[in-house]
Amino acid sequence: KQEVTQIPAALSVPEGENLVLNCSFTDSAIYNLQWFRQDPGKGLTSLLLIQSSQREQTSGRLNASLDKSSGRSTLYIAASQPGDSATYLCAVRPGSYNTDKLIFGTGTRLQVFP
Amino acid sequence: GAVVSQHPSWVICKSGTSVKIECRSLDFQATTMFWYRQFPKQSLMLMATSNEGSKATYEQGVEKDKFLINHASLTLSTLTVTSAHPEDSSFYICSASKVQTGGYTFGSGTRLTVV
Repeated sequence: KQEVTQIPAALSVPEGENLVLNCSFTDSAIYNLQWFRQDPGKGLTSLLLIQSSQREQTSGRLNASLDKSSGRSTLYIAASQPGDSATYLCAVRPGSYNTDKLIFGTGTRLQVFP
Repeated sequence: GAVVSQHPSWVICKSGTSVKIECRSLDFQATTMFWYRQFPKQSLMLMATSNEGSKATYEQGVEKDKFLINHASLTLSTLTVTSAHPEDSSFYICSASKVQTGGYTFGSGTRLTVV
């Protein structure tokens, strides 16, 4: 059974710092992995999608890496800003294309203070 | 892009009434949509998978007679909370998968409060 874990559970940093959020999964047979951001009381915003054949994806100050063999993904946030404060969720889509249920991690609650 | 629109964003209803939540994929067709429930400070809990033209697949422990799901077209799925009670108060979110990328797009969520 696929399990997804995120550490740390919470993080509070001053703005300007570079951050690394970690996501680990127990079954390396995945179709893709997706990072989301959720603001309080809002839906999920997709940040980056990494297919199983890819090693990393970048968008602006965000970079996500994927190491399937070790069951890990990291989300790197450069030069953090107060507007980055949110809960970050990683989600794994299991290996078979016919299996389309996302498995979510427990989330990392990030607070960036001025 | 891939945009999913969810309405209403919030609703307050009286106990015993029914509430319908709509989820639309605006710029792509979604044969499958998903409905989640989220409690405060917790992650998303999958309730059911909505399949266009067929019955929804419910997760274990989710009452299919209470949470009616209809997926009548490739761009619209609805969740109806029937005979709502205060314990049904929660945040409900839908999502859809874009076939070309396999990525998921989420709606903005619906805050349901049953009084």
